[in-house]
Amino acid sequence: NAGVTQTPKFQVLKTGQSMTLQCAQDMNHNSMYWYRQDPGMGLRLIYYSASEGTTDKGEVPNGYNVSRLNKREFSLRLESAAPSQTSVYFCASRGGGGRIAEAFFGQGTRLTVV
Amino acid sequence: QKEVEQDPGPLSVPEGAIVSLNCTYSNSAFQYFMWYRQYSRKGPELLMYTYSSGNKEDGRFTAQVDKSSKYISLFIRDSQPSDSATYLCAIEGNKLVFGAGTILRVKS
Repeated sequence: NAGVTQTPKFQVLKTGQSMTLQCAQDMNHNSMYWYRQDPGMGLRLIYYSASEGTTDKGEVPNGYNVSRLNKREFSLRLESAAPSQTSVYFCASRGGGGRIAEAFFGQGTRLTVV
Repeated sequence: QKEVEQDPGPLSVPEGAIVSLNCTYSNSAFQYFMWYRQYSRKGPELLMYTYSSGNKEDGRFTAQVDKSSKYISLFIRDSQPSDSATYLCAIEGNKLVFGAGTILRVKS
């Protein structure tokens, strides 16, 4: 009963380093999302993928890239990390299909850029 | 202008109080309205959802939507210390957009 699995759970990067956050879901959901959460800012959408093979920008896409590798996996890449990208990152998935569908979230990745 | 506005609080109430949490939104095309609850160091979890104007009850929780005012509310009756969490409103159009979240603390 894994749901949405994110790796890693914690990461410290130096400015300019790159890394990829991994996300996988086992619920056969069509839609997947990457959010960042900062104090007082709520969840801000970085990128989303409505279905396998499609990705779209959200509210704060600058400095990030994504890949929808297959229906299960949706990765987020930071090419050149900056201190402003210090945040908690959440991946989520939803069934979609035109009806209300609950979004299921991973446990989050706490990223610190120094 | 943000698509969803929510006062981040924090809000501190005594046990047993009635809590009112609110959000406003800007896009009248939004169809579905949800409330998520997030405990510390956890991912958010769906608490309630509705897709029409009016009230929806689930135990101590009532979700209210006023589409004419673009205003959504969550009421918690007989609040408990276990209700202490961050409450995020979320609105669905072609993507899922969240408010800033309100930090609620219920004191015993």
